[in-house]
Amino acid sequence: DVKVTQSSRYLVKRTGEKVFLECVQDMDHENMFWYRQDPGLGLRLIYFSYDVKMKEKGDIPEGYSVSREKKERFSLILESASTNQTSMYLCASSPLRGDEQYFGPGTRLTVT
Amino acid sequence: AQSVTQLDSQVPVFEEAPVELRCNYSSSVSVYLFWYVQYPNQGLQLLLKYLSGSTLVESINGFEAEFNKSQTSFHLRKPSVHISDTAEYFCAVSAPQGGKLIFGQGTELSVKP
Repeated sequence: DVKVTQSSRYLVKRTGEKVFLECVQDMDHENMFWYRQDPGLGLRLIYFSYDVKMKEKGDIPEGYSVSREKKERFSLILESASTNQTSMYLCASSPLRGDEQYFGPGTRLTVT
Repeated sequence: AQSVTQLDSQVPVFEEAPVELRCNYSSSVSVYLFWYVQYPNQGLQLLLKYLSGSTLVESINGFEAEFNKSQTSFHLRKPSVHISDTAEYFCAVSAPQGGKLIFGQGTELSVKP
């Protein structure tokens, strides 16, 4: 079974803090994705990566950055957290572009 | 570019009744289509997908969806729902080799006894 793990299920941070969300997959997938999920808005793509050290902006990259130093790990960074970044963050990986994505359990981030 | 519209944000239904969750998509190229389910406090799990071939696809827990190219739809159906089907359901579309999934806004299915 494909397994995607995220470093925290729940996280509470203060405004202005730097926040790291870690995602690891164990199936040697080339493609990895970060989404945020908000009620009524579905999932919105923040950043994605098709290879190590490669990244591309998704639909809502402002206020975020990413790092992919190793194939299995894809990190999302909030340089200076703000209250409007309070959300559920979901990581996913995929073996083929355009095909099924495998999701982690999510990190519910609250910024106060 | 692709887009997805889920026509109902909430669908309440009684146990053992049939249900249909509606999904329409827009695309200028051929598409892959997916339905994902999200149980409370969990990530998304793939329910079923259409890549090519038979337009009717089925899941292991009794759901089915039919790809209708002329109506650009991929509605999800189940003839008899259970309490355990209560969850949020997301329709998604991608272009072959395109990489990105585009998700709908989600439909909350609430099954009542």
